[in-house]
This record gives sequence, structure tokens and C-alpha cells, in this order.
Amino acid sequence: QVQLQESGPGLVKPSETLSLTCAVSGAPIISSDWWTWVRQPPGKGLEWIGEIYHSGNTNYNPSLKSRVTISIDTSKSQFFLKLSSLTAADTAIYYCARGPPPRAAAGFDYWGQGTLVTVSS
Amino acid sequence: DIQLTQSPSSLSASVGDRVSITCRASQDINTFLNWYQQKPGKAPKLLIFGAFGLQSGVPSRFSGSGSGTDFTLTINSLQPEDFATYYCQQTSSAPRTFGQGSTVEI
Repeated sequence: QVQLQESGPGLVKPSETLSLTCAVSGAPIISSDWWTWVRQPPGKGLEWIGEIYHSGNTNYNPSLKSRVTISIDTSKSQFFLKLSSLTAADTAIYYCARGPPPRAAAGFDYWGQGTLVTVSS
Repeated sequence: DIQLTQSPSSLSASVGDRVSITCRASQDINTFLNWYQQKPGKAPKLLIFGAFGLQSGVPSRFSGSGSGTDFTLTINSLQPEDFATYYCQQTSSAPRTFGQGSTVEI
């Protein structure tokens, strides 16, 4: 069974950098899939942050691009999110998910349970 | 970026009702449109992929239709476990945007 598990700090200070890890099990990280980060501020909707392919190719949301880095370690079946210059507006539940190749008739079929990150001093 | 606009933002319904939620894209996305269900405190769950494909394990009372810019999620015979928030998402191009969500309430 495919499983994704986020890990990282629950509390980060303003102006600092958030680092999250997503561990993938039950499926090869080297595949046609794109590994994705999505966030959801409390009580609000879903925001796509970006994605990475096992080769290291990435796509980012333009609204976050200047602050986001997504990377991958295929040997550990993990991928990572770094978000810099944090403000209170970055407080959200952060999800990792498995996504399809671009322009494929498929959706994000497996998600982690999400991790709440609060930005506060 | 492709914008997705869902309507209604919320609706009240009863068990047994037929419910429809629409999603309009700001440009043609062919059938690269997915629907998700999210319950409080849970991750989104994929219901429909490619505009009308039913994800494995999802009850057949859920169906999707549309192409181009206009899409619809229909729930036939609403069940108690269907009260949730529903999101559309496009995978035609990055960023893979979501609609703002539609909440189905009792």
C-alpha cells in the first residue's frame, strides 16, 4: 500500500526557513509520478506549492517561487520542501502527495496525513 | 495561471438528494480536471480524474462530466458520509490549481 508521511517542525519563527520531509513507501519514487506539496491555511482552501520528478526537474507555484525549493533523495525515497522568509500567512497544514505526469488523465491519488506548521515568534 | 471557479460555495441538502457542483476554468483544459472530497481534519480524497473517470473504490453515486472550460460533479442519492467540502483541480498545466471549494451541508 502506498503511503506518504510528512515530518518536520510544528512551530517556526517568522523570517526563518521551513524544512519538511515526505517519506514515500509502498511505491517506487523513481516512476512516472510527480511528487507534490500542497498546503491549506486553517479554514481555507487548497494551494498547490510545487512538484518534483525523480530526475530533479521541478515546477513551482509562481506566487511562491522565489521562496520555495523542492528536492528529492531517491536513495531514501524521500522528497523535501524548503520555504524561506516565513510570515504568519504561511501558517497551514502542509500535505505531500503523489501526482500524475503533466497532461495525464489522473489526479493526486495518494496523500500524506498532513502536518500543521505554525509561524509564530 | 489557470483559474478555477466553483459554484456554489456552499449548499444545503438532505440525505437522498441529488447534488451538482460546477467548476469553470479560465481557459480550455480539455478533460484535465479532477475532483476531491475533503472531510474535517483529513487529507483530500480523489473522487474523479480526467473529468469523468471514477477513482477505484469510490461509490458509483459520484459522477463527473464536462470538457473544455465547464465541468460538473454530481452526487446521486446523497449519503450521510457525503457531507464534506469538494474541490476541483486542473492538471492541464502548472501551477496545478484548485478551485476554492464547495461545502455540502445538511
